[in-house]
Amino acid sequence: ETGVTQSPTHLIKTRGQQVTLRCSSQSGHNTVSWYQQALGQGPQFIFQYYREEENGRGNFPPRFSGLQFPNYSSELNVNALELDDSALYLCASSLYQRNEKLFFGSGTQLSVL
Amino acid sequence: DAKTTQPTSMDCAEGRAANLPCNHSTISGNEYVYWYRQIHSQGPQYIIHGLKNNETNEMASLIITEDRKSSTLILPHATLRDTAVYYCIVRVSYNNNDMRFGAGTRLTVKP
Repeated sequence: ETGVTQSPTHLIKTRGQQVTLRCSSQSGHNTVSWYQQALGQGPQFIFQYYREEENGRGNFPPRFSGLQFPNYSSELNVNALELDDSALYLCASSLYQRNEKLFFGSGTQLSVL
Repeated sequence: DAKTTQPTSMDCAEGRAANLPCNHSTISGNEYVYWYRQIHSQGPQYIIHGLKNNETNEMASLIITEDRKSSTLILPHATLRDTAVYYCIVRVSYNNNDMRFGAGTRLTVKP
């Protein structure tokens, strides 16, 4: 158990819809990162939030956006869902600039039909 | 960040040491070697990291060659619960949280 919780655990959407995934970080952690993991592949970095601002981004289009709240929890929003967005979405928390250890949640499995 | 190469899969007998290799021949002087693992249906779990010296913690040992072009993660007494995908990642520490996970090594511990 890492103390990082994600909701929901599973979600089914249709193409073109929008989705919001949620993450509560481990107590004391001020940085949240989101990853996408397609079936059979390693996780891919989407972006990171620190002090409620995006602080780094991977190769993902702008329809992937996020929020971080004052309590350090976070949301991942994906607009105009595409079939290829079907994946496991992982949230990881850490201390800013102490990111040798990321603590991951168990993820949200998103299926886009 | 330097690229890593790992075997696709490995088997290990329960109770024996599991030695997982990783090649990172283009590693730079300020890049660390990280190991994470991912047990089925869970998020990745941090195991260990190091720069150039060998490291040991309660989970594993990390052996880095003197030229730093390869490393080995050692699980000294593998159990069935160590069955997982193991990822070797090379990156500059204190960067953002962009861990470049590759395909990893699928370790199967057999009774």
